[in-house]
Amino acid sequence: AQSVTQLDSHVSVSEGTPVLLRCNYSSSYSPSLFWYVQHPNKGLQLLLKYTSAATLVKGINGFEAEFKKSETSFHLTKPSAHMSDAAEYFCVVRAMNTGFQKLVFGTGTRLLVSP
Amino acid sequence: DGGITQSPKYLFRKEGQNVTLSCEQNLNHDAMYWYRQDPGQGLRLIYYSQIVNDFQKGDIAEGYSVSREKKESFPLTVTSAQKNPTAFYLCASGRDKNSYEQYFGPGTRLTVT
Repeated sequence: AQSVTQLDSHVSVSEGTPVLLRCNYSSSYSPSLFWYVQHPNKGLQLLLKYTSAATLVKGINGFEAEFKKSETSFHLTKPSAHMSDAAEYFCVVRAMNTGFQKLVFGTGTRLLVSP
Repeated sequence: DGGITQSPKYLFRKEGQNVTLSCEQNLNHDAMYWYRQDPGQGLRLIYYSQIVNDFQKGDIAEGYSVSREKKESFPLTVTSAQKNPTAFYLCASGRDKNSYEQYFGPGTRLTVT
């Protein structure tokens, strides 16, 4: 079965410093991986997706993620944090062989950005 | 504007009452999904529908029911059988049964006391 583990429940950064949100995946197939962002009391928005093309994936708002098969990781990064980046971030893997497009969500990482 | 709407944003109910959460989309998507979100947990799938007039149980369907009589609508009923209904409920849609990208509504926060 496919699963993802988000290694940090909370990450705190200062505005203007780099962001790193860590995600490890488990999959016996070549995975499809996603990062979603959720601002407080809002729905989820897709940041970026990896579907076995380029291993470095660029997303919206300056975020990117690198797929590393040898490390089974899909960490999310951004060179310089903005206050507006404060939100919860979910790493997601597509489940295979379920008969439908099932997404499996990590438990989330809350990003706190201080001035 | 194309998108997914959920209403109401906040909902309060007494224990023992059934309550229905609305989800409407004007994206012309075939597939629709309901998720439950609890603090410190990822989203968990309640029900999904790949096409109108068809729906299937997800991972945590007990105490919930749905209908899909129209392509654009996928209401979720939280019944009195749901032991712990207080949560944030999210509806999502996908273009069709082969599309893995899902688009989410803004959510409904249900509080049952």
